[in-house]
Amino acid sequence: DAGITQSPRYKITETGRQVTLMCHQTWSHSYMFWYRQDLGHGLRLIYYSAAADITDKGEVPDGYVVSRSKTENFPLTLESATRSQTSVYFCASSPDPTSGNEQFFGPGTRLTVL
Amino acid sequence: GQNIDQPTEMTATEGAIVQINCTYQTSGFNGLFWYQQHAGEAPTFLSYNVLDGLEEKGRFSSFLSRSKGYSYLLLKELQMKDSASYLCAVEDGSYQLTFGKGTKLSVIP
Repeated sequence: DAGITQSPRYKITETGRQVTLMCHQTWSHSYMFWYRQDLGHGLRLIYYSAAADITDKGEVPDGYVVSRSKTENFPLTLESATRSQTSVYFCASSPDPTSGNEQFFGPGTRLTVL
Repeated sequence: GQNIDQPTEMTATEGAIVQINCTYQTSGFNGLFWYQQHAGEAPTFLSYNVLDGLEEKGRFSSFLSRSKGYSYLLLKELQMKDSASYLCAVEDGSYQLTFGKGTKLSVIP
């Protein structure tokens, strides 16, 4: 399907386990982003990528790892999940965010860490 | 640091007009975005302002004053489907968007 997709949509895991959230976009947008959304905090940027093999930290990167070997994919890995990482995670993409281009958001992954 | 403030909640009546304010203090400014987010869904783009003034798009308008660090989103002829959260976000020139915590708007009959 065209657009931006995330998988899984829902995930329950246990403290200490590794979890990978997938994000795929079909527009060949250069920029991709990972956010988490929590009550009382709004959307906070975890990591972003300006192109394949180029990634950088956002506001809340601790405990997360990203990679971008292909333009269309931007997986987010929680190496050892903690309860504080229970959240809704959104992936987004944009052709060039500095030129007034909007970010297009995926449907989100709701992650619960027990 | 980045600081973006908007009211937490607002209530308005169907058919009325509502204004949602956003004030920002950021290290740089390269534009301000408004997004709409229905409960349980992803944010979707509403508007973008980079110059001072009013941008109108159907029932929605957005205003920016860069000297005051202030923006508002104006929704006219409110409909029940406008019940959602409205997110103000600033792009500071570093490719990143900094979001406010969002304003939850409830439209009542």
